[in-house]
Amino acid sequence: SYDLTQPPSVSVSPGQTASITCSGDKLGDKYVFWYQQKPGQSPVVVIYQDDKRPSGVPERISGSNSGNTATLTISGTQAMDEADYYCQAWHSSTVVFGTGTTVTVL
Amino acid sequence: EVQLVESGGGLVQPGGSLRLSCAASGFSFSSYNMNWVRQAPGKGLEWVSYISGNGRTIYYTDSVKGRFTISRDNAKNSLYLQMNSLRAEDTALYYCARDTGGTYGRDHDAFDIWGQGTMVTVSS
Repeated sequence: SYDLTQPPSVSVSPGQTASITCSGDKLGDKYVFWYQQKPGQSPVVVIYQDDKRPSGVPERISGSNSGNTATLTISGTQAMDEADYYCQAWHSSTVVFGTGTTVTVL
Repeated sequence: EVQLVESGGGLVQPGGSLRLSCAASGFSFSSYNMNWVRQAPGKGLEWVSYISGNGRTIYYTDSVKGRFTISRDNAKNSLYLQMNSLRAEDTALYYCARDTGGTYGRDHDAFDIWGQGTMVTVSS
């Protein structure tokens, strides 16, 4: 099976930068997607195809993917960014989600 | 409004069956591949199954192969998940999600629309 590993939690002060990593074998060869999920809500895509933002997603959210690691970066973090974040990739005809990261804005 | 609405969840005993439905509206349903994703209470997201827009290509995660069957009725704008031989570990909130792969000429891309989920509880 293919695994995507994320840190369980990331803490960040308001206005600072939060970085969430997603690690998987040769992940840079695949497209990576990122989802934000707030408590009691359905997931929302915030990054697709490694680094593209859907309309409505603020510019402070960005993505990159190279080698074995994809990274979601939230610049100038705001309280509204507090949520769970999941990376996702497609591998051998299956969809794989990362283990998930809880972002806490202190 | 583009929308997905799941239904059919509930409490079922181990070994029992349930059929989940997902009603789509506001878009050309047959043009999109669809997925089922589940989330156990307090846990992360787990992909369950995929079906192409024409219904000809289907994939499952290993843990549900032989027990779950995904299907769709494009005339009714509906997606289904027949779940048999249910186990306690199948307890989760089940989401249907629209896959934008067809937009880019691929099997799979971002899940851009999600329903609100329907809860399945397997317990005696």
